[in-house]
Amino acid sequence: SQQGEEDPQALSIQEGENATMNCSYKTSINNLQWYRQNSGRGLVHLILIRSNEREKHSGRLRVTLDTSKKSSSLLITASRAADTASYFCSNTGGFKTIFGAGTRLFVKA
Amino acid sequence: GAGVSQSPSNKVTEKGKDVELRCDPISGHTALYWYRQSLGQGLEFLIYFQGNSAPDKSGLPSDRFSAERTGGSVSTLTIQRTQQEDSAVYLCASGPSGEYREQYFGPGTRLTVT
Repeated sequence: SQQGEEDPQALSIQEGENATMNCSYKTSINNLQWYRQNSGRGLVHLILIRSNEREKHSGRLRVTLDTSKKSSSLLITASRAADTASYFCSNTGGFKTIFGAGTRLFVKA
Repeated sequence: GAGVSQSPSNKVTEKGKDVELRCDPISGHTALYWYRQSLGQGLEFLIYFQGNSAPDKSGLPSDRFSAERTGGSVSTLTIQRTQQEDSAVYLCASGPSGEYREQYFGPGTRLTVT
């Protein structure tokens, strides 16, 4: 399967703590993207990192990419209860975008 | 501006019936994707349209599934002779052409086959 994998599958933390999610993929990529999904409906794009980038920041989000290990991580700092959601990574190589199974994050107030 | 819209938002159908799900992409987006997501699971790629090129149908799970995109805009996903295992949320996404292929998702159609 070309599908990427996120880990952990589920993560429960206290509000204010940092949350780290990892993603691995199998094929060469043009870019890797992270999405968030609330309540099992549409996904919202969070951040894109290009294959020639190693780190990117957006607000409380920090994404790293290690193409030699075919892996990426998403760090959410100072988490809030509203960050509770599922987080997916997707990688794009050629014409196909592959999504992983996601990490379910629960932030306790 | 208007985002991706999908209709209906919910559909309940009896086993064996045919259903049509509609996706209206963002105007000007050349790429359109259909995904399926079962409860608590990840996204399963179904089909990908890019401009006037032949669609990538490699994710369609059986010949009961088909999709069309008319005029490079609206797309319809058709499931014939529905089965209970077809119950899922069907998500559509559109995106601009170009290298980075960010996707903009619709709210999905929740299909329940009884």
